Amino acid sequence: GQNIDQPTEMTATEGAIVQINCTYQTSGFNGLFWYQQHAGEAPTFLSYNVLDGLEEKGRFSSFLSRSKGYSYLLLKELQMKDSASYLCAVNDYKLSFGAGTTVTVRA
Amino acid sequence: DAEITQSPRHKITETGRQVTLACHQTWNHNNMFWYRQDLGHGLRLIHYSYGVQDTNKGEVSDGYSVSRSNTEDLPLTLESAASSQTSVYFCASSESLGDNEQYFGPGTRLTVT
Repeated sequence: GQNIDQPTEMTATEGAIVQINCTYQTSGFNGLFWYQQHAGEAPTFLSYNVLDGLEEKGRFSSFLSRSKGYSYLLLKELQMKDSASYLCAVNDYKLSFGAGTTVTVRA
Repeated sequence: DAEITQSPRHKITETGRQVTLACHQTWNHNNMFWYRQDLGHGLRLIHYSYGVQDTNKGEVSDGYSVSRSNTEDLPLTLESAASSQTSVYFCASSESLGDNEQYFGPGTRLTVT
């Protein structure tokens, strides 16, 4: 079975940094995705980690530790438009998603 | 530009009726997926297909069926709609299972009364 956990909600101030954690216990693992989903819209791709370590893409970074079953998404210099749900998903030739973390950015 | 579309975008139906949700992609992707999204559950996989004539059950497949007669389309059928199937449905496709980056359609909001 698949068990993927992430916090339900997080709130942060514009310009700050927020870290969204994801822990997983899955029967198979090829990599871990992070998707962003604004209210009423489809999920869109943010990052994909296959190997251990940190991947940086502009204001967003994603980290993976396969041995610990752990990943995080780091959002820096938060902007109001970053208010959205962030979905962690494990790839085992199909995706298993966590329930998502709703991030609210306050002015 | 290549895209993935879903129709209808909104649907209201009655309990017991058969409903089909359409998904069409022009990426020429072999892999296609159907999810439902409910508050507190995130995205849950209903059915998926790795190519023409291939279909597989996901974690919440009861009451749903799919067929894959060509590369572009994966229609989702609710055989006899139930109120528990009120949800937002997303279709997605991917080119490769290795990285399996999935592109999502805009979603269909289905209400069963």
